Amino acid sequence: QVQLVQSGSELKKPGASVKVSCKASGYTFTSYAMNWVRQAPGQGLEWMGWINTNTGNPTYAQGFTGRFVFSLDTSVSTAYLEISSLKAEDTAVHYCARAGGIGNGAFDIWGQGTMVTVSS
Amino acid sequence: QSALTQPASVSGSPGQSITISCTGTSSDVGGYNYVSWYQQHPGKAPKLMIYDVTNRPSGVSNRFSGSKSGNTASLTISGLQAEDEADYYCSSYTSSSTHVVFGGGTKLTVL
Repeated sequence: QVQLVQSGSELKKPGASVKVSCKASGYTFTSYAMNWVRQAPGQGLEWMGWINTNTGNPTYAQGFTGRFVFSLDTSVSTAYLEISSLKAEDTAVHYCARAGGIGNGAFDIWGQGTMVTVSS
Repeated sequence: QSALTQPASVSGSPGQSITISCTGTSSDVGGYNYVSWYQQHPGKAPKLMIYDVTNRPSGVSNRFSGSKSGNTASLTISGLQAEDEADYYCSSYTSSSTHVVFGGGTKLTVL
């Protein structure tokens, strides 16, 4: 079935880096855009940006430039989110979500989420 | 501060209907028919319930419906059931550099 499976929880110290993976299966990976969404503890959803899985071109939302990098490995149908110079405020669940499968801009398939905790 | 405004909470009794509003601007909700609604149970990933303002994905109950008037979109849930208790988020395409904006979320309590 169509699904996105993300890597497991991460505990990192401030200033470190983390790389979250999102492996797609059940569909043609390069036919749909991949988005990243953040949810801080007890807070709402925040769109981080998206990556064109056909060209590899990323687009970052305001507030997610500089320390955030979206990348792909199309050979294994996997998208990555890397965050560098981690701060306490990066503590959140990070979701990957597919777009383009239905409607305009709707995220029809979501990964299970990856909790990134930043603490000394 | 979220770009789209939703009530923090709504509640209803089983069998009743409730409506959750999502207010934006002419640059997002009012300017495009690209509003989506997501349901999120605690500890779970969001689930798409409505796309393009009024459309339901396959498998979503017809008790869920969407509409829009001006800069405000709405999600209506009829025949409330205990399993509907969750957080609900709206989102919209926006002409700003952000491209996609979410509402702050609404906690639905089934009494």
